[in-house]
Amino acid sequence: EAQVTQNPRYLITVTGKKLTVTCSQNMNHEYMSWYRQDPGLGLRQIYYSMNVEVTDKGDVPEGYKVSRKEKRNFPLILESPSPNQTSLYFCASSVDRGSADTQYFGPGTRLTVL
Amino acid sequence: AQSVTQLGSHVSVSEGALVLLRCNYSSSVPPYLFWYVQYPNQGLQLLLKYTSAATLVKGINGFEAEFKKSETSFHLTKPSAHMSDAAEYFCAVSVPGFQKLVFGTGTRLLVSP
Repeated sequence: EAQVTQNPRYLITVTGKKLTVTCSQNMNHEYMSWYRQDPGLGLRQIYYSMNVEVTDKGDVPEGYKVSRKEKRNFPLILESPSPNQTSLYFCASSVDRGSADTQYFGPGTRLTVL
Repeated sequence: AQSVTQLGSHVSVSEGALVLLRCNYSSSVPPYLFWYVQYPNQGLQLLLKYTSAATLVKGINGFEAEFKKSETSFHLTKPSAHMSDAAEYFCAVSVPGFQKLVFGTGTRLLVSP
């Protein structure tokens, strides 16, 4: 089944404790992206990647890191999480960087930082 | 820069009634427009998209949207609501040459029996 998977689905952590949220897609998509969803703000892009070893900042990159060492994986790293990073996070992928492409979303990771 | 505005954070309808979710966009060039739906505890999935072909776009589950350049709108409609349509709906815009997808703030659709 074609899908985007994220792990973990739920995570509660404490301020300053490094964490990684994994994202993997099995559709051989070139483009991958991370969003955060907050009430009243919709989805905002954190980082995106147009291909292996090519990443760039989105609208809200502060406090986050990403890497794209393999085409299928695009982990999101929070080196020192803070409470303002409590949010619902989505990974998405699309065939390539065409702006008309459909993005396929993972199920989401709900992160709480205490 | 492109943007979308969704009017109404919550819309309530009765089962069988018309669904109308409003989206207005701003873009300096002809845009691509999308509607995504998010069911409870799930990721977003594409309902439909406009990519400069027909202005009336039909999507899944009986939804459709019409691109109106003169009104800069892309409203989502469905003739008859089902209980299963209860979800959050996001309008989004992108422009040719840039993969960046900009989302609206979402509209939660509530369907009552």
